[in-house]
Amino acid sequence: DIVMTQSPDSLAVSLGERATINCKSSQSVLYISNNKNYLTWYQQRPGQPPKLLFYWASTRESGVPDRFSGSGSGTDFTLTISSLQAEDVAVYYCQQYYSTPTFGQGTKVEIK
Amino acid sequence: QVQLVQSGAEVKKPGASVKVSCKASGYTFTAYYMHWVRQAPGQGLEWMGWINPNSGGTNYVQKFQGRVTMTRDTSISTAYMELSRLRSDDTAVYYCARDPGYCIGSSCYNGNWFDPWGQGTLVTVSS
Repeated sequence: DIVMTQSPDSLAVSLGERATINCKSSQSVLYISNNKNYLTWYQQRPGQPPKLLFYWASTRESGVPDRFSGSGSGTDFTLTISSLQAEDVAVYYCQQYYSTPTFGQGTKVEIK
Repeated sequence: QVQLVQSGAEVKKPGASVKVSCKASGYTFTAYYMHWVRQAPGQGLEWMGWINPNSGGTNYVQKFQGRVTMTRDTSISTAYMELSRLRSDDTAVYYCARDPGYCIGSSCYNGNWFDPWGQGTLVTVSS
């Protein structure tokens, strides 16, 4: 199975500041034939189910604020929150779907 | 809107079985695969497998082979996940989640990502 490793495990950011979460896969999740990265990002607020933020690594799901962005290719990916809002406090997960789906361990984002 | 509503919390003894339901609404139930994902308390997410509601075909993670059974009842747009021979480490919130699928040109595929998710069902295994 492809192992997904996120960093950091947690971070505290001031309101209005940038938050950056990294996700590294143990092998490439870029499918050469269609040039698509088989990676998603989810947000899980306390007590709620996960919510899809991005698929294909950088395609924003409808309704997701544009302060969220996804980037990267191959084995290294980043989720960025450009200006942290209070409602962004959550755990964020990356997930690959190149093969049997696997998730990163999660990154907890808090307010400093 | 697309909605998945799961059955309520369960408490089971070790060795017992549990069956969790997931009722879909707002879309054609048979047109999209349904996945099951679990989350142990304070832990991350673990994919368990999927069911194709149209054919009833299934694909399970090897870890759960022989203990998990995913079924569906198309007449009531409901998917089920049954886990047998429960152990204490099966204590978790179990989620159903729809596979949005995707199409490239005229070919459409199972996506293996998840949107939306049900609200979750807490299964507690305790003697």
